[in-house]
Amino acid sequence: SQQGEEDPQALSIQEGENATMNCSYKTSINNLQWYRQNSGRGLVHLILIRSNEREKHSGRLRVTLDTSKKSSSLLITASRAADTASYFCATVPISSGSARQLTFGSGTQLTVLP
Amino acid sequence: DARVTQTPRHKVTEMGQEVTMRCQPILGHNTVFWYRQTMMQGLELLAYFRNRAPLDDSGMPKDRFSAEMPDATLATLKIQPSEPRDSAVYFCASGVSGVRETQYFGPGTRLLVL
Repeated sequence: SQQGEEDPQALSIQEGENATMNCSYKTSINNLQWYRQNSGRGLVHLILIRSNEREKHSGRLRVTLDTSKKSSSLLITASRAADTASYFCATVPISSGSARQLTFGSGTQLTVLP
Repeated sequence: DARVTQTPRHKVTEMGQEVTMRCQPILGHNTVFWYRQTMMQGLELLAYFRNRAPLDDSGMPKDRFSAEMPDATLATLKIQPSEPRDSAVYFCASGVSGVRETQYFGPGTRLLVL
């Protein structure tokens, strides 16, 4: 089963609005990352937050992490049509040890309407 | 602009045929990952190499799939014989072990087995 589960599975908003996506995971982690996938393309890394961090910003992106609830959220402010994509959270579980490989969630499909 | 490259980008083949997919990781990266993406299963890790050595291929059907790294600039994923259920997009990603575990994805190979 997926380590991370995004919520909602699909989100449709108007251009200029904010979009919030959530991710829940099951085991303790080293860090959590968010990736974007445009239709027909590979995944692109957006932002990483370490387990000892609570919030991080990058441009119009804001990520929060609550390790007590094993959850994270990705906020995209002032959305644009170009933000239309699937967004995935990915975790590096502590249990992965030296392997330290990512485990991806099932993704949120964001549609930004012009 | 360093990128992961994958060939071919598209492949249509008949059931029973051998399929070979190739990946050139970013120069200097020492980890390589193969993923399979389908609508039903999402993103599945098939194999993981570090310094050309296979670390984890537990997600790969052993009877028909094989993954190798003949050298640091080439990773291959082979399916023999192929089956219709292998139809998916296959992604290669590379990264640097111990450095945040961020992964850089290639554009993918879209495989259709008839």
